[in-house]
Amino acid sequence: EVQLVESGGGLVQPGGSLRLSCVDSGFTFRSYDMHWVRQAPGKGLEWVSYISYTSATIYYADSVKGRFTMSRDNAKNSLYLQMNSLRDDDTAVYYCAREAGGSKPYWYFDLWGRGTLVTVSS
Amino acid sequence: ETVLTQSPGTLSLSPGERATLSCRTSQSVNNYLAWYQQKPGQAPRLLIYGTSGRATGIPDRFSGSGSGTDFTLTISRLEPEDFAVYYCQQYGGSPLTFGGGTKVEIK
Repeated sequence: EVQLVESGGGLVQPGGSLRLSCVDSGFTFRSYDMHWVRQAPGKGLEWVSYISYTSATIYYADSVKGRFTMSRDNAKNSLYLQMNSLRDDDTAVYYCAREAGGSKPYWYFDLWGRGTLVTVSS
Repeated sequence: ETVLTQSPGTLSLSPGERATLSCRTSQSVNNYLAWYQQKPGQAPRLLIYGTSGRATGIPDRFSGSGSGTDFTLTISRLEPEDFAVYYCQQYGGSPLTFGGGTKVEIK
C-alpha cells in the first residue's frame, strides 16, 4: 500500500526544538517533491514548507521561515522537518504530503500521511 | 495572500441527498483550485484538482465546478462514507492557502 507515515511529534516547551520525520512506502520517493502541512487544533490547514526531489529548492511559509528547516534523505526514503524556537502557535498536527506533479510541482497534494501531533506548552 | 472562505460551515444532510459546498477566493486563482476530504483521524484525501479534474479513484458522484473567485464541490448522492470535512485549496498564488472547511454531517 502506498502511504506516508509521520513520527517525532510530542510535547515541547516554548523555545524548544523537535525533529519530525516522514517515511514513505510503496512509491518512488526520490522522484517526488514533498511538502509539510499543519493543522492547529480545531483550525484549518496551513501549508508549511516544500522541498524539491533533489533538495535543490526549498520554500517556507513566512510563519516558520528562519525557525524550521526541511530536508530529505532519498536513500532512506525519508523527509524531515527540524523545528527550532517553537512557539505556542506552532501547536498542530503536522502532515507530510506528496506533490501531485511528482518532480514538477503542481502545488497540490495527492497523498498525505495521518500526521503527528506537536504540542508546544509550558 | 489569497483568502479562501468556505460555506456553509456545517451541512446537515441525509444519505442519498445532494451536497453543494462553496469556496470563495479573495482574488482570482486561475482555476487552480483543489478539494480534499478528511475524516477523523485519517489523512486528507485529494478529490478534485484544477477546479473540475477528478483525482484517481474518486467516484463520479463528486464533481467540481466554478471560475473566477467562486467554486463549488457537489456530491450528487451522499453515501454513508461521504460524511466528513471538506477543504478547498488554491495553488494559483503564493503562499498556498486553504479554506476553513465544511463539515458534512448526517442529519
